[in-house]
Amino acid sequence: AQRVTQPEKLLSVFKGAPVELKCNYSYSGSPELFWYVQYSRQRLQLLLRHISRESIKGFTADLNKGETSFHLKKPFAQEEDSAMYYCALSGRGSQGNLIFGKGTKLSVKP
Amino acid sequence: DTGVSQNPRHKITKRGQNVTFRCDPISEHNRLYWYRQTLGQGPEFLTYFQNEAQLEKSRLLSDRFSAERPKGSFSTLEIQRTEQGDSAMYLCASSIQGETQYFGPGTRLLVL
Repeated sequence: AQRVTQPEKLLSVFKGAPVELKCNYSYSGSPELFWYVQYSRQRLQLLLRHISRESIKGFTADLNKGETSFHLKKPFAQEEDSAMYYCALSGRGSQGNLIFGKGTKLSVKP
Repeated sequence: DTGVSQNPRHKITKRGQNVTFRCDPISEHNRLYWYRQTLGQGPEFLTYFQNEAQLEKSRLLSDRFSAERPKGSFSTLEIQRTEQGDSAMYLCASSIQGETQYFGPGTRLLVL
């Protein structure tokens, strides 16, 4: 079954602390992995995708095929990082519809 | 072009009524997707179009749901005989084939 699991509903850290939002996936084939973010009162937007290997707003994510994980990391959290984060996958070469996890709410306290 | 737009933003209806939502994608995007999001869940895929052709429908899309994209530009999603379980946020996204999906602000439906 194709599935994305985000085990934490809520993650609360203090400003300046490291952050890791976990994402595990199940997919038969070679998926593309994404992180989407939704800030308060804003629409869902792409944060990063694994094939681009970029660092966006200080966030990085490495695809670990052995562990089927795509954890999102940031060494020093900022208050403006507080948002809802969704991990998602799509099949490579497929129609591109996304399969999302349930999301993790990140709260960065001052 | 300021991105994907959806109308209305909010809709309250009574059970059994029909509702229709509209999505206007980014103008050069040939793909258009519909997702549904309920409380505490991530978005779930409903259907997608490439130009005017509807190429895939999720099993979540019951017979009461129908989507169209008649000229390959805007799309409509209609729900007939609404049920309380249809209450959700309905999201539209568009993309150029194989590229990033850009989401609209969503239409929040409440069925009383």
